[in-house]
Amino acid sequence: DAGVIQSPRHEVTEMGQEVTLRCKPISGHDYLFWYRQTMMRGLELLIYFNNNVPIDDSGMPEDRFSAKMPNASFSTLKIQPSEPRDSAVYFCASSRTSNTEAFFGQGTRLTVV
Amino acid sequence: DAKTTQPTSMDCAEGRAANLPCNHSTISGNEYVYWYRQIHSQGPQYIIHGLKNNETNEMASLIITEDRKSSTLILPHATLRDTAVYYCIVRVGAAGNKLTFGGGTRVLVKP
Repeated sequence: DAGVIQSPRHEVTEMGQEVTLRCKPISGHDYLFWYRQTMMRGLELLIYFNNNVPIDDSGMPEDRFSAKMPNASFSTLKIQPSEPRDSAVYFCASSRTSNTEAFFGQGTRLTVV
Repeated sequence: DAKTTQPTSMDCAEGRAANLPCNHSTISGNEYVYWYRQIHSQGPQYIIHGLKNNETNEMASLIITEDRKSSTLILPHATLRDTAVYYCIVRVGAAGNKLTFGGGTRVLVKP
């Protein structure tokens, strides 16, 4: 398996623009997680899904952020409108069950100017 | 999930064992201890986890004290590629896989 695949690897956008980050989890994994990492706040869990259903979105910073999982092999994290403070590395991870290890993607480095 | 306390940083000599401590004094009976590491510019990587027994795999060993209030991750023969931030996490084993990361320990393996 190729592991968790995220795209794009790097994204530079202007403030106010819409940004969509994409994730393909490992096949057969029922859980999918979105994390954000910054120097100031470290790794923060934004939201996670079980069988394509959002379970906990308490980490989503505000209404500008939204996440979807239309099927078992694809998820998106959208920021609209984007702001400079959204600049961070966004990681997607997946796990097979609720108590097995999570595998992380390589991340998307987002820069909002 | 219970909070963990780790040293901010530590150095280790290449080829020697690296012992990474973690304090989790408020851990509950149904919480597991997980270790992940993050090499620069990469996503976190799972290392090992345990409940109360010591565990060993191809990457590391995990020693959990009898009262479960602390644990130690042991990298038996550290290499330069083991330079990374190591995270100790405690979480409930069932009913959700919410991994909450703290600050971790920045480990520098020196030649």
